[in-house]
Amino acid sequence: EDKVVQSPLSLVVHEGDTVTLNCSYEVTNFRSLLWYKQEKKAPTFLFMLTSSGIEKKSGRLSSILDKKELFSILNITATQTGDSAVYLCAVSNYQLIWGAGTKLIIKP
Amino acid sequence: DGGITQSPKYLFRKEGQNVTLSCEQNLNHDAMYWYRQDPGQGLRLIYYSQIVNDFQKGDIAEGYSVSREKKESFPLTVTSAQKNPTAFYLCASSIVSGQGAYEQFFGPGTRLTVL
Repeated sequence: EDKVVQSPLSLVVHEGDTVTLNCSYEVTNFRSLLWYKQEKKAPTFLFMLTSSGIEKKSGRLSSILDKKELFSILNITATQTGDSAVYLCAVSNYQLIWGAGTKLIIKP
Repeated sequence: DGGITQSPKYLFRKEGQNVTLSCEQNLNHDAMYWYRQDPGQGLRLIYYSQIVNDFQKGDIAEGYSVSREKKESFPLTVTSAQKNPTAFYLCASSIVSGQGAYEQFFGPGTRLTVL
């Protein structure tokens, strides 16, 4: 059975800290891995990763994929209270298979 | 403005009633999806459609029905057969790619509560 597992399930850090969120997967016919940020409502797209070892970066967020070990990490440096959200990982094999998310809380 | 709209934002239903959730997109996407999200859980696929007049069951289709009469619209009906319908419902759309790698765009969601 295809599955996507995110860890930790929740994380509380202080503003300015760096965090690393993990996403491991066992999915047949892997096509890509996607990261989303969900605040109150709709998930918003962050990154799509298809190749191993190539870092994608957007401001203080970055992500990398390891297709050999079947995982991805999402890094957030110099965290701010606005980074508080649920971060969702999904793997595509024609459909999206979703992890349960990591709830990140940034304390001022 | 291109995007996906869902209505209503909040919906209350009595047990035994059918309710329909609206989803409209003007992104010219062929594919549309309905997800259910429960507290502390990821998204679970209810139904999806890749072309007008065709749709497929997802992982938790029981108690739900959909139609796709227009490319822009993909309404979801929660029937009385759905035993635990209280949840947050998200509609999404995407392009259809033979590569299988695609980004889905989401609407703002409908929160359904059964009284």
